[in-house]
Amino acid sequence: DVVVTQSPLSLPVTLGQPASISCRSRQSLVHSDGNTYFNWFQQRPGQSPRRLIYKVSNRDSGVPDRFSGSGSGSDFTLTISSVEADDVGLYYCMQSTSCCTFGQGTKLEIK
Amino acid sequence: QLLESGGGLVQPGGSLRLSCAASGFSFSSYAMNWVRQAPGEGLEWVSVISPSGTATNYADSVRGRFTVSRDNSRNTLYLQMNSLRDEDMALYSCARDWHADYWGQGTVVTVSS
Repeated sequence: DVVVTQSPLSLPVTLGQPASISCRSRQSLVHSDGNTYFNWFQQRPGQSPRRLIYKVSNRDSGVPDRFSGSGSGSDFTLTISSVEADDVGLYYCMQSTSCCTFGQGTKLEIK
Repeated sequence: QLLESGGGLVQPGGSLRLSCAASGFSFSSYAMNWVRQAPGEGLEWVSVISPSGTATNYADSVRGRFTVSRDNSRNTLYLQMNSLRDEDMALYSCARDWHADYWGQGTVVTVSS
C-alpha cells in the first residue's frame, strides 16, 4: 500500500497569514498515464469532506483562489495565501494514483 | 446528490449492507468509492468500483470481509459488510469518481455487543 505522511497535524494560524500543509509519499505518485492523481480536501466541522484540489494543482469549481496546490512526484503542498475564519477545519491529502490513501489530516485553527 | 443508508447497530461478527442512492448525474459513467471515518479519527479509504462494476479494489483492512457492488439501473451503490469488528465502527460515506470529487453525508455503523 502507498503510505502518505501529512504534516503538520495541527496548524494554528493568524487571520490573514499564509498557511502550508505538506504531504509526502515513499514512492512516486506519477500514474502510468503520465498524470499525478493527488488531491486535497477540506472538512469543516460537522460537514462532509469537500475536494479543493485535484491532480496536484487544479482547483475545483467554487474554490477560492487563495487555495493552491503544488508539488510533483512524491512531495506535495497545499497553500492558503491568506487564512480566513471560514478556513477552520480539517485538511486531508489523498493519493488516487494507486487507489487510494489519505494523509493523517491537519487541523487548522485560528490563533 | 448522494444519500447513504443502511447503517445501524450490529454485534461483532454480524453483517450489514449499506446503500448509496445517487441522483443528479449520470451514475453509470462514474466510479464510486466508499470512505469511512471512525469517531475522532481521520479518513480511511475502504473500496472503489468501476463505472461498469467489473473492477473493484479494497483496503487491506476490509478485503475478504466487505464486498462493493452497484446497480446502475437503480443508480445505487452498495457495500456488503460481513464479519464486522469493533474497528469497523465509523461513519461510512460514498464519494463519486475515482478521485472523490463529491461526497454524501454518510451513514453511521456501530459495532457493539
